[in-house]
Amino acid sequence: AQSVTQLDSQVPVFEEAPVELRCNYSSSVSVYLFWYVQYPNQGLQLLLKYLSGSTLVESINGFEAEFNKSQTSFHLRKPSVHISDTAEYFCAVSDRAGRRALTFGSGTRLQVQP
Amino acid sequence: DGGITQSPKYLFRKEGQNVTLSCEQNLNHDAMYWYRQDPGQGLRLIYYSQIVNDFQKGDIAEGYSVSREKKESFPLTVTSAQKNPTAFYLCASNSQSGNRGNEQFFGPGTRLTVL
Repeated sequence: AQSVTQLDSQVPVFEEAPVELRCNYSSSVSVYLFWYVQYPNQGLQLLLKYLSGSTLVESINGFEAEFNKSQTSFHLRKPSVHISDTAEYFCAVSDRAGRRALTFGSGTRLQVQP
Repeated sequence: DGGITQSPKYLFRKEGQNVTLSCEQNLNHDAMYWYRQDPGQGLRLIYYSQIVNDFQKGDIAEGYSVSREKKESFPLTVTSAQKNPTAFYLCASNSQSGNRGNEQFFGPGTRLTVL
């Protein structure tokens, strides 16, 4: 069984400030790790993913996440946020075989203020 | 454009009624999934199907049913046995082959409200 914990339900931040959204997971098997973003009343969009290799992964819009196996974490960071980054962010894990469904954290609402 | 469509966008149901949510994909994906989203709880897996004519219960299957008669389609029926069906329902799909690491693609969702 797997579980994902997102430690902050809401993160308010001013525009152009850095931000970190925290994610910890628990699993007895190797997993893939994902961050998804959801804008109001929409589906989820993949932001970035860790499959293997380099532990630092980046998205095209400036977000990055680092896989830390010893701490079982996959925190999401951005050095300078924009108003348009306001959304809900979900961390998820998937086992590498079996049902391959995603197990989600409860989400973190990022609120960027001018 | 390839993608996943869900209909309707909004759905209202009276207590005691069954309703069916549609999910169609043209990505040629083998696997399809239904998730339920409630405020503050993230997404929870209802049912999934990895191949046509086969499906498996997820973590919260009680009160729901599905079918997978075609690769492109995975409808979800919310039955009257589901005690608290008001939620946002998301359909997803992924390819079971290749090297995408189980990345899932999501539809726009259906918001179901019980009156």
